[in-house]
Amino acid sequence: GNSVTQMEGPVTLSEEAFLTINCTYTATGYPSLFWYVQYPGEGLQLLLKATKADDKGSNKGFEATYRKETTSFHLEKGSVQVSDSAVYFCALIGNRDDKIIFGKGTRLHILP
Amino acid sequence: GAGVSQSPSNKVTEKGKDVELRCDPISGHTALYWYRQSLGQGLEFLIYFQGNSAPDKSGLPSDRFSAERTGGSVSTLTIQRTQQEDSAVYLCASSSGQGSFAEAFFGQGTRLTVV
Repeated sequence: GNSVTQMEGPVTLSEEAFLTINCTYTATGYPSLFWYVQYPGEGLQLLLKATKADDKGSNKGFEATYRKETTSFHLEKGSVQVSDSAVYFCALIGNRDDKIIFGKGTRLHILP
Repeated sequence: GAGVSQSPSNKVTEKGKDVELRCDPISGHTALYWYRQSLGQGLEFLIYFQGNSAPDKSGLPSDRFSAERTGGSVSTLTIQRTQQEDSAVYLCASSSGQGSFAEAFFGQGTRLTVV
C-alpha cells in the first residue's frame, strides 16, 4: 500500500538557518503530495502541495518539489524564523482513492 | 460553519465507559476522515467516508471502535469500553473529495483522556 516516510525529529536550528526536512513516498500511479503544519496549540493546516511530477509547491517561504525519479518531496526553507517552530507532516493522496496517508511528523524547534 | 467543528474539545472518561466523538465537516464536503494522534506519535488513520459509506475501515484498531456518517454530513466516532491506551487526540478532516486535488481541512480535535 501507499506510505510516507519522513525524517524523525526533533530538528533544532538557529534562526536564519537553512532547513531541509526529508520526505519520501511509496505509491502506485501518480499521487498528489502535501506538507501540513501543526503550530503549537493549533490544528493541522495545509502548507503547500504539488499534484504532478516536477511541480513545486511554495508558501510562507517554504518550498518542496515533486521528484518522481527519487519518489521524494523534501521541504526546504532558506532562512527559518522562530515562528516556524511547529510539527510538519508530509502526506500523499493516491490517484486511485481519496485516503490521505501521513508521515509520522517532524518537530521543528527554532532557537532565537 | 466556516470550518470543521469537533465536539467535545476535551473528554475525560473512566475506563470501561463508552464515548462518542462528533465531527461536523465543512458544508458540501463529501469526504470525511478520522485520525488519531497520540502523544509524540504521528497521525494514525482510522476511517474514511465518501458520502455516507466507508470504503476503508482498515485503520480502526479494534471492534470497540465504530463510526458512522449520516446525511453525508455529521460523523460520529464511538469507542466502547474505553481503555487507557485509547487516550489520544482524535482528529477529523473533510475535503471536497475530488480525488488527488482535494485539500483536507482539519478540526481542532477532541482530546480524550481515559482514567
